[in-house]
Amino acid sequence: DGGITQSPKYLFRKEGQNVTLSCEQNLNHDAMYWYRQDPGQGLRLIYYSQIVNDFQKGDIAEGYSVSREKKESFPLTVTSAQKNPTAFYLCASSIRGLNTEAFFGQGTRLTVV
Amino acid sequence: DQQVKQNSPSLSVQEGRISILNCDYTNSMFDYFLWYKKYPAEGPTFLISISSIKDKNEDGRFTVFLNKSAKHLSLHIVPSQPGDSAVYFCAAARNNAGNMLTFGGGTRLMVKP
Repeated sequence: DGGITQSPKYLFRKEGQNVTLSCEQNLNHDAMYWYRQDPGQGLRLIYYSQIVNDFQKGDIAEGYSVSREKKESFPLTVTSAQKNPTAFYLCASSIRGLNTEAFFGQGTRLTVV
Repeated sequence: DQQVKQNSPSLSVQEGRISILNCDYTNSMFDYFLWYKKYPAEGPTFLISISSIKDKNEDGRFTVFLNKSAKHLSLHIVPSQPGDSAVYFCAAARNNAGNMLTFGGGTRLMVKP
């Protein structure tokens, strides 16, 4: 079954600790994205990558870092510099080209205490 | 500066009737529009899309209308079913900008039996 897998589904961390969220896809998509959703709000773009070994900041990249060493994987690290890290994080992927939709993983709920 | 807006946070409709969800955008550079459906604690699933060269796209019970001059699009669901109850997100993309999606804040649809 092709799809996007995010793990873990729920994650708890203490304030001041870095944490890495996993995102793997076997759809052979070139592009991958990280979004954040806060209660009652839409999704906001954190980082995106159009190709291996290249990534760009989205609208709210401060306090986050990513890597794209493999086509299938796009992990997101939430650093201690992120002031409000508690949120629902969604990873997505798409093919490159015009008029394409993004496919989303099931999300990771991060709670920082 | 919210470029995609869904001004109705919630909508309640009787089963069998039409549901109309609205979305407005401000960026005239957007040329591809999508609707996603989302359940709590899950990733969004793609519903239907429309290119800016069209004014209507239909897929079964779902139809999306685009009014470029008004920078407005709407999703019609006919007939509405209880299983349609979810949060619906409108999203927009610029084809020359890597297909990154800009999301609206979402509309919670409740279909009553």
